[in-house]
Amino acid sequence: DTGVSQNPRHKITKRGQNVTFRCDPISEHNRLYWYRQTLGQGPEFLTYFQNEAQLEKSRLLSDRFSAERPKGSFSTLEIQRTEQGDSAMYLCASSAQGVSEAFFGQGTRLTVV
Amino acid sequence: ELKVEQNPLFLSMQEGKNYTIYCNYSTTSDRLYWYRQDPGKSLESLFVLLSNGAVKQEGRLMASLDTKARLSTLHITAAVHDLSATYFCAGTNNNNDMRFGAGTRLTVKP
Repeated sequence: DTGVSQNPRHKITKRGQNVTFRCDPISEHNRLYWYRQTLGQGPEFLTYFQNEAQLEKSRLLSDRFSAERPKGSFSTLEIQRTEQGDSAMYLCASSAQGVSEAFFGQGTRLTVV
Repeated sequence: ELKVEQNPLFLSMQEGKNYTIYCNYSTTSDRLYWYRQDPGKSLESLFVLLSNGAVKQEGRLMASLDTKARLSTLHITAAVHDLSATYFCAGTNNNNDMRFGAGTRLTVKP
């Protein structure tokens, strides 16, 4: 297993377009997290799945953001009608049930122009 | 909702010196994590602290947890340049999702 994989690594999009990111967690990890990170800040929680169930979603997340994990394996994060303020690094992490640490992917850097 | 605060946010150290980074959290957290992030890179797990009084050490870094004080510390011993990075602590919220502090940007100077 090569760890958490995120695609694409970079995405440049025009304001108003929709974008979708994919995260493949470490196999057998049932927990999956999405975070957003801007320069000089800590990772900001977006949403969290346990298996296919979305257990938590940040109140900061507008309805333009949606995430799915249909079969409890990979996950997608979609941003509709992108805005310049959405420009950030989007990080995905996964962990196993219990007390293990979460492992992060390399992130998808989104630039909205 | 869990809030995590770190201090200092910026730390410049001389090589060979010792220093401590502090992480306070607002509500009960089942566990406390420490991560390292190099510029342009993702986060690398350093420590997971599970119980009150837990102490873990790896090389020049030692992390501890005091759940009664809602405080974790990351102690750096005899700093070297390779330790320059941003260090984050994170706690777990009600549903076991992680919430991060703002990070401590450490620069170790020769």
